[in-house]
Amino acid sequence: ELKVEQNPLFLSMQEGKNYTIYCNYSTTSDRLYWYRQDPGKSLESLFVLLSNGAVKQEGRLMASLDTKARLSTLHITAAVHDLSATYFCAVVRGSTLGRLYFGRGTQLTVWP
Amino acid sequence: EAGVAQSPRYKIIEKRQSVAFWCNPISGHATLYWYQQILGQGPKLLIQFQNNGVVDDSQLPKDRFSAERLKGVDSTLKIQPAKLEDSAVYLCASSLKGWTSGSGDNEQFFGPGTRLTVL
Repeated sequence: ELKVEQNPLFLSMQEGKNYTIYCNYSTTSDRLYWYRQDPGKSLESLFVLLSNGAVKQEGRLMASLDTKARLSTLHITAAVHDLSATYFCAVVRGSTLGRLYFGRGTQLTVWP
Repeated sequence: EAGVAQSPRYKIIEKRQSVAFWCNPISGHATLYWYQQILGQGPKLLIQFQNNGVVDDSQLPKDRFSAERLKGVDSTLKIQPAKLEDSAVYLCASSLKGWTSGSGDNEQFFGPGTRLTVL
């Protein structure tokens, strides 16, 4: 079965700092998603990455995909408090009819 | 555009009782998914419907869980009898189409979830 590992699982960082969240997956996938989840809320799609070398940016977040290394990164630039949330990566395999395989999530806390 | 609706938002029951959750997907979305999210983990797919047919229920504990989508729109997920380990958030998601390689149309949109506590 496809395994998705995220690290770190917990991240506490000061406002203004940069950091990267890593997502590794065990077998070939067809696309990769990054989601944000606020406490008590549902999942909000941030990025979908379709091909090797794909890079997408929205505000202070930038996601990239290396399919050869089976690695995606979510880079945070100059963090602000509003980015505090749990971030999940999820991988899709066409052979399993689009089933999403999620990592355990990275709980990010940004403090002043 | 209205999002995915779920009810109830919270439910507390005792073990061995039964419980049902309801989901109304985004209008026009053919595919509906039920996920279980245990505290501290990522969501895990329980069952996937394409219109009113089951596409994937390989991870559904069929001895106690059941789900239906009779008219290809709303769906219900039932647990009978509940166990302590069923305590989780149950998320419903929908997508416009089923899986199509290279297409973005199967992006999944998630509802707010139902938080189930089994005592």
